[in-house]
Amino acid sequence: GENVEQHPSTLSVQEGDSAVIKCTYSDSASNYFPWYKQELGKRPQLIIDIRSNVGEKKDQRIAVTLNKTAKHFSLHITETQPEDSAVYFCAASMLPGGSYIPTFGRGTSLIVHP
Amino acid sequence: DTAVSQTPKYLVTQMGNDKSIKCEQNLGHDTMYWYKQDSKKFLKIMFSYNNKELIINETVPNRFSPKSPDKAHLNLHINSLELGDSAVYFCASSPRGQGGHEQYFGPGTRLTVT
Repeated sequence: GENVEQHPSTLSVQEGDSAVIKCTYSDSASNYFPWYKQELGKRPQLIIDIRSNVGEKKDQRIAVTLNKTAKHFSLHITETQPEDSAVYFCAASMLPGGSYIPTFGRGTSLIVHP
Repeated sequence: DTAVSQTPKYLVTQMGNDKSIKCEQNLGHDTMYWYKQDSKKFLKIMFSYNNKELIINETVPNRFSPKSPDKAHLNLHINSLELGDSAVYFCASSPRGQGGHEQYFGPGTRLTVT
């Protein structure tokens, strides 16, 4: 089955700095890669996703890049703010056509210091 | 107009008891899921279910069973509760068969087994 590795487990930055979280996956059939943000005591929520026919996607201060050959994808947050502090999860899965169970990384705790 | 709801929000019970957690989604999604999030924040999928198939994570003990009375509901039954079952349980749904596999999570149920 799919295996998703996520690094780092903890990331501490100063407000205004950039943050990068990296994930690798094992199943070359995976073709959908979402990122979820989970604030303390709340539910995970999708912040951005990318499909395998796209190499990069941006949404304001966040961006995701995908390298299918190397089987890794990354989340980039620029100009970090204290409200970005949360646990971030990457995931890998297949779109319709395959037996679908999403596999999540173990999460990255991002701390943004004011 | 909550999209995915769960009850109860908190559940405290003793070892050996049997308990249920209810989940409802009003998004019209075809697929629902149960996740377990442990104290280290790891999101582990337990079940993926639509009206055609149940996919079980083979590491889930058979004390756990999903029950779906209809497409909008997926309840989780747990028999003979153990201390290690203490965790936050999230229900989720997704529009399987459509453009993406974004997971819409419920607010979570914090289960404490004493």
